[in-house]
Amino acid sequence: GESVGLHLPTLSVQEGDNSIINCAYSNSASDYFIWYKQESGKGPQFIIDIRSNMDKRQGQRVTVLLNKTVKHLSLQIAATQPGDSAVYFCAEYATSGSRLTFGEGTQLTVNP
Amino acid sequence: EPEVTQTPSHQVTQMGQEVILRCVPISNHLYFYWYRQILGQKVEFLVSFYNNEISEKSEIFDDQFSVERPDGSNFTLKIRSTKLEDSAMYFCASKRRAGGPEQFFGPGTRLTVL
Repeated sequence: GESVGLHLPTLSVQEGDNSIINCAYSNSASDYFIWYKQESGKGPQFIIDIRSNMDKRQGQRVTVLLNKTVKHLSLQIAATQPGDSAVYFCAEYATSGSRLTFGEGTQLTVNP
Repeated sequence: EPEVTQTPSHQVTQMGQEVILRCVPISNHLYFYWYRQILGQKVEFLVSFYNNEISEKSEIFDDQFSVERPDGSNFTLKIRSTKLEDSAMYFCASKRRAGGPEQFFGPGTRLTVL
């Protein structure tokens, strides 16, 4: 079946470094790709999304890159801070439906 | 800042019992969702709800599950006869408008079935 998945389950970085979290997807019909952050004991929190007709979108300290040729999505976090420590999920959304389809999650740990 | 709230934060029940999980979506939102997350796994879609009816449901959302918006503020998920495998975090989410992907999630209810 179609799924959204992640390459690495864990990522450990030093405070101040840039982080890159990757995601592979297989459903080319998705209209949006989204990154969510989930801190321990909390619900997923929206970070940023990108439409399928774009290849890059920037937010505050975050950049999402979409490579449709290889069906790859990445989240870049600049100057990673301890507060960025969380599990990051990519998700996909098609406007023809209503659900978000989540990937497996990457645990980001920021070391001081 | 408005947020989605959920009660209770933790529910413990015996197998075979009925549970009702409650959510108060953000007040001007029109689209409502339930997701679940088994410990250590990814978040899975259960059901979406709009205009007082189910818009979409997953294969997980079988006849044991039902949703209701009993009044203008609450959105509930009922599990009629809980099974051990229903143990999970249940997240409610809401969205203001159609088309866009951004759904706002509540803090979740941890359901433990013994």
